[in-house]
Amino acid sequence: EVQLVESGGNLVQPGGSLRLSCAATGFTFSSYHMHWVRQAPGTGLEWVSYISGSGRTIYYADSVKGRLTISRDNAKKSLSLQMNSLRDEDTAVYYCAREILLQDSNAFDIWGQGTMVTVSS
Amino acid sequence: DIQVTQSPSSLSASVGDRVTISCRASQGISNGLSWYQQRPGQVPTLLIYGASILQSGVPSRFSGSGSGTAFTLTIKSLQPDDVATYYCLQDYTTPWTFGQGTKVEI
Repeated sequence: EVQLVESGGNLVQPGGSLRLSCAATGFTFSSYHMHWVRQAPGTGLEWVSYISGSGRTIYYADSVKGRLTISRDNAKKSLSLQMNSLRDEDTAVYYCAREILLQDSNAFDIWGQGTMVTVSS
Repeated sequence: DIQVTQSPSSLSASVGDRVTISCRASQGISNGLSWYQQRPGQVPTLLIYGASILQSGVPSRFSGSGSGTAFTLTIKSLQPDDVATYYCLQDYTTPWTFGQGTKVEI
């Protein structure tokens, strides 16, 4: 079964750090670009970061640039998000999502169940 | 950055009604738009990609149209199972940007 499972969410104080992980099963992980998307409580979806299948190309939303770092280990079929200098506004459910190319169009076709990050003193 | 404006923010309709949701991009994005459904308490799922192509397994009452800057998601005959928040996503260029969401109620 094609699946993404996130872990690592927790309660952390402002200024603290956290590392999220996303384990992939059921597909050739290295062949797919991956994303992190977050959703603050009661609000909409916000794209956070992208990493290409090889790991060589990375993008970030301006709101997290310089504080969050995306990475992947294709041998372990794992995606990570290192979160530093956390702020209250980083409180959200964090989803990893697979990007697929379908008929020359991109889309996020597989999503994990999400992991909750709460930044609070 | 490309902004995506989704409307309405919420709507209430009856079972069997035709429902339309709009997304407008701040600049042309060709057909680089996808639609997602998020039922209450659940994970988003892909409905439409390439602006108008139905994802495998999605009921045919859902359809998408548009290109350039104006896009529409249509539910031909609303069903109780369609209660959800719907999001568009421009995937034409970085940074990817979601619409604000449309909450659909019955």
